[in-house]
Amino acid sequence: QVQLQQWGAGLLKPSETLSLTCAVSGGSFSDYYWSWIRQPPGKGLEWIGEIHHSGSTTYNPSLKNRVTISVDTSKNLFSLKLTSVTAADTAVYYCAREISYYDSSDHYHWYLDLWGRGTLVTVSS
Amino acid sequence: DIQMTQSPSSLSASVGDRVTITCRASQGISNYLAWFQQKPGKAPKSLIYAASNLQSGVPSKFSGSGSGTDFTLTISSLQPEDFAIYYCQQYNSYPRTFGGGTKVEIK
Repeated sequence: QVQLQQWGAGLLKPSETLSLTCAVSGGSFSDYYWSWIRQPPGKGLEWIGEIHHSGSTTYNPSLKNRVTISVDTSKNLFSLKLTSVTAADTAVYYCAREISYYDSSDHYHWYLDLWGRGTLVTVSS
Repeated sequence: DIQMTQSPSSLSASVGDRVTITCRASQGISNYLAWFQQKPGKAPKSLIYAASNLQSGVPSKFSGSGSGTDFTLTISSLQPEDFAIYYCQQYNSYPRTFGGGTKVEIK
């Protein structure tokens, strides 16, 4: 059974860098895209970005200048860094897996099928 | 960015009720839509992908439909474990975007 185990610092001061890691166990790492999503307390979900095991990334333009997602295929893990955090970055951060399917459009499509348990990151002075 | 609008934002229903949640995209997304269920303090759980395909292990009381800009999630007979927040999400284009959520509460 595939599991996503995530960890990282839960309390940051403004201007610091958020750093989270997600380790994948119990299954393949190379057949998927890997994503980060966040959820401010009591609010909805925001997609941060994704990475393929090859290292190819796509980011949300709203965060693009501050976010980096990286991958370590030797350890089956991927990481999120978000620089210059403010109180607005306070949220539960989730790592997640994207799985593909092939449809009549002759293309592969990727959707989120498995989520980590989430890490609450609080930014406060 | 594609805006995803869910309605209603909340609803009250009784056990056994049939419940329908609507999700509208600001532009056409074909059928590249997923639905998630989130319970308090938990991560979202995948229910449906490609608008109408049930994720493995999800009970058949959940169903989805729609294409283009208008989509629905239906729960055929609401059970106590179904009280949660439901989110739609488009994966037609980047950035991926979610609806604001629909909270299903006990009447």
